[in-house]
Amino acid sequence: KQEVTQIPAALSVPEGENLVLNCSFTDSAIYNLQWFRQDPGKGLTSLLLIQSSQREQTSGRLNASLDKSSGRSTLYIAASQPGDSATYLCAVRPGYQKVTFGIGTKLQVIP
Amino acid sequence: KAGVTQTPRYLIKTRGQQVTLSCSPISGHRSVSWYQQTPGQGLQFLFEYFSETQRNKGNFPGRFSGRQFSNSRSEMNVSTLELGDSALYLCASSLTAGVDEQYFGPGTRLTVT
Repeated sequence: KQEVTQIPAALSVPEGENLVLNCSFTDSAIYNLQWFRQDPGKGLTSLLLIQSSQREQTSGRLNASLDKSSGRSTLYIAASQPGDSATYLCAVRPGYQKVTFGIGTKLQVIP
Repeated sequence: KAGVTQTPRYLIKTRGQQVTLSCSPISGHRSVSWYQQTPGQGLQFLFEYFSETQRNKGNFPGRFSGRQFSNSRSEMNVSTLELGDSALYLCASSLTAGVDEQYFGPGTRLTVT
């Protein structure tokens, strides 16, 4: 059974700081891993999708890496802004099996 | 291109009643997945449909069911509602089942009293 863990559960940083969010999974037989952000009471917004054959993906100030062998992914946010405050979730997709989500990391960026 | 839409956005029901939630995927997407989100359990997978066929099912009781229509729109139904069914129900669409990026709708907030 796939288990996904996100550490830390919550993080508070001053504006402008670079930060790293972590996601670990127990079964390395995955097709892809997707990072999302969720604002309170809202749906999920897709940030980055990394296929199993890729090592990293970048979008603007965001960079996500994937190390399948160690069962880890990181989301790097550069020059954080108050608008980045949200809960960040990672989801592991083992092909045609069900997607498993982590509980998320709640990020607060203080102006 | 319009995103994933879910209706209704908010719903209040009484224990024992049943409810039907609707999800319209992004145009051209043929796969729809449903999730339940609660503060204690996080996002839990309910089921996934592709081309009107259920591809995967999560660990939920038989009171939770779903279907997908030929136009890829999907509905989920919960019968005999319990207080613990209060949650945000999220729908996600993707081009195909299994490997594509998922796009989520805004969710339906269900409150059971």
